[in-house]
Amino acid sequence: SQQGEEDPQALSIQEGENATMNCSYKTSINNLQWYRQNSGRGLVHLILIRSNEREKHSGRLRVTLDTSKKSSSLLITASRAADTASYFCATDTTAGNNRKLIWGLGTSLAVNP
Amino acid sequence: DTAVSQTPKYLVTQMGNDKSIKCEQNLGHDTMYWYKQDSKKFLKIMFSYNNKELIINETVPNRFSPKSPDKAHLNLHINSLELGDSAVYFCASRRQRGEQFFGPGTRLTVL
Repeated sequence: SQQGEEDPQALSIQEGENATMNCSYKTSINNLQWYRQNSGRGLVHLILIRSNEREKHSGRLRVTLDTSKKSSSLLITASRAADTASYFCATDTTAGNNRKLIWGLGTSLAVNP
Repeated sequence: DTAVSQTPKYLVTQMGNDKSIKCEQNLGHDTMYWYKQDSKKFLKIMFSYNNKELIINETVPNRFSPKSPDKAHLNLHINSLELGDSAVYFCASRRQRGEQFFGPGTRLTVL
């Protein structure tokens, strides 16, 4: 079952602007991960934030995690046309002895040149 | 070097046929997955294997049968294909608690 919900579902911005995507989840997590999917391709891991971390940076990416609100945000600064893709959040949970990622529905980002 | 590879990339077949998709990872990961992504990009986990042992089976019809001959390979066999099976199927592997590495996907079209 999906527990992550991203918003917005779709986002269209101009090159150079910042893009913010949000993810909410329902159960306790070990970590939360963000992935990018270019059209027709597999998903690529972007960043992982552990449940005891509040913020993480990687290049132009900034991820925050608020475990009290069960939410995370992904900020892409100074966006480029090449950032056009779908972005998914995934929460690492342990259901019994099974470790799996629970996926959100994704945010489709369009960066217009 | 390709980390997670899948074959074939495209698969077009008639309803009722049986087909297989192969997946191989050279990352040394213990856990492998099969996902189905529909036309709305909803990503649904189907199966997970850990060291050749099935650990997750997410209410997938028994027409779908995964097979893991060794921990580097996880194949998916589908019997009696139906129109609703049309989707992109992704294989992925993962180290413990870390990120998942995805294959390029297999686009299955059932006519």
